[in-house]
Amino acid sequence: SQQGEEDPQALSIQEGENATMNCSYKTSINNLQWYRQNSGRGLVHLILIRSNEREKHSGRLRVTLDTSKKSSSLLITASRAADTASYFCATGGTQGGSEKLVFGKGTKLTVNP
Amino acid sequence: EAGVTQSPTHLIKTRGQQATLRCSPISGHTSVYWYQQALGLGLQFLLWYDEGEERNRGNFPPRFSGRQFPNYSSELNVNALELEDSALYLCASSFSDSYEQYFGPGTRLTVT
Repeated sequence: SQQGEEDPQALSIQEGENATMNCSYKTSINNLQWYRQNSGRGLVHLILIRSNEREKHSGRLRVTLDTSKKSSSLLITASRAADTASYFCATGGTQGGSEKLVFGKGTKLTVNP
Repeated sequence: EAGVTQSPTHLIKTRGQQATLRCSPISGHTSVYWYQQALGLGLQFLLWYDEGEERNRGNFPPRFSGRQFPNYSSELNVNALELEDSALYLCASSFSDSYEQYFGPGTRLTVT
């Protein structure tokens, strides 16, 4: 069963604009990760944020985590056509070690040139 | 450094047959995970292997099985194929104590 729920399901923006995707989850987590998937291919790991962190940056990506609201957001600044992909959040369990990840259904982002 | 590899890229089977999918993890990774991504259903966790043992299993029937070999590569077997097994099967690997998973390109299984 899905734990993470991304919002919106689909997002279409113009190149240069910022894109914001949200993820909500239900149970306590150790960490939350964001992945990107280009058109039916494998997923690429983007960023991991731990439960004791509130914000993390990586290049044009900014991730926030609010454990009290059980939600996270992924912001992509100055978007490019190459950012067109599906973005998934995945929550990691609290039992430590390499607990399996639970993925949401994803947000499909389209960046128009 | 080579990433996670999967074979074959595409696999076409008929209902009732068996399918075998293979995965080679990144060198040094001992954990291998299998996911099913059917159209519109997101990623569903199938199996997790670490150090040759099955650590966790998703909500799938027993006809989905697998194993991990001493070199940490893994095989997913799907018996008695059904039409709804058509999906992209993704393999991922990680270090045993890491949450970050690295994915292969997937095997697209089509059951006719």
